[in-house]
Amino acid sequence: KAGVTQTPRYLIKTRGQQVTLSCSPISGHRSVSWYQQTPGQGLQFLFEYFSETQRNKGNFPGRFSGRQFSNSRSEMNVSTLELGDSALYLCASSYTAANSPLHFGNGTRLTVT
Amino acid sequence: GIQVEQSPPDLILQEGANSTLRCNFSDSVNNLQWFHQNPWGQLINLFYIPSGTKQNGRLSATTVATERYSLLYISSSQTTDSGVYFCAAQGGSNYKLTFGKGTLLTVNP
Repeated sequence: KAGVTQTPRYLIKTRGQQVTLSCSPISGHRSVSWYQQTPGQGLQFLFEYFSETQRNKGNFPGRFSGRQFSNSRSEMNVSTLELGDSALYLCASSYTAANSPLHFGNGTRLTVT
Repeated sequence: GIQVEQSPPDLILQEGANSTLRCNFSDSVNNLQWFHQNPWGQLINLFYIPSGTKQNGRLSATTVATERYSLLYISSSQTTDSGVYFCAAQGGSNYKLTFGKGTLLTVNP
């Protein structure tokens, strides 16, 4: 069974631009979560989707948004990029998020210049 | 929200040594997981263990939910065990895992 696939692996953007990251979950998994990892803040929860519905959102500004499609694939978007948005963005999938193991993709490393 | 604390923050071992990593959490949990992040950034799920004990090869984990802690044991460590070990917990039904700051493990040959 294929793992969680994130694209692209690396991205360099300029301040003020926007970016869209993509995540394909493990087949059969309906929950997709997104996390931001930085050296200073560690792993922080962005949001979680299940059956196209956002069930929870972390403490991030409205510039961070996401969605999930009917095939469980998910995208996250960051608008008006800031230097502080440079991070490793990790997507994870699970059957339900609440009571099942979380499996992570390899991440997208975003650099904002 | 739930707080997750891990100790020690750093650990250096010689190959073949055993180690115990600890995770304390501030509230009752219904989801507790251990992950290993290798030097290339890949996060691997080691255990889903909201309570009880599990073993997988040289690794085992125990969660004592009533006392709000979990332990990860690594026996006969190998250089490939190096990396950061994260504990993550979820309380209630908020569908989010809160991660600890991790334990950086270095295993020297």
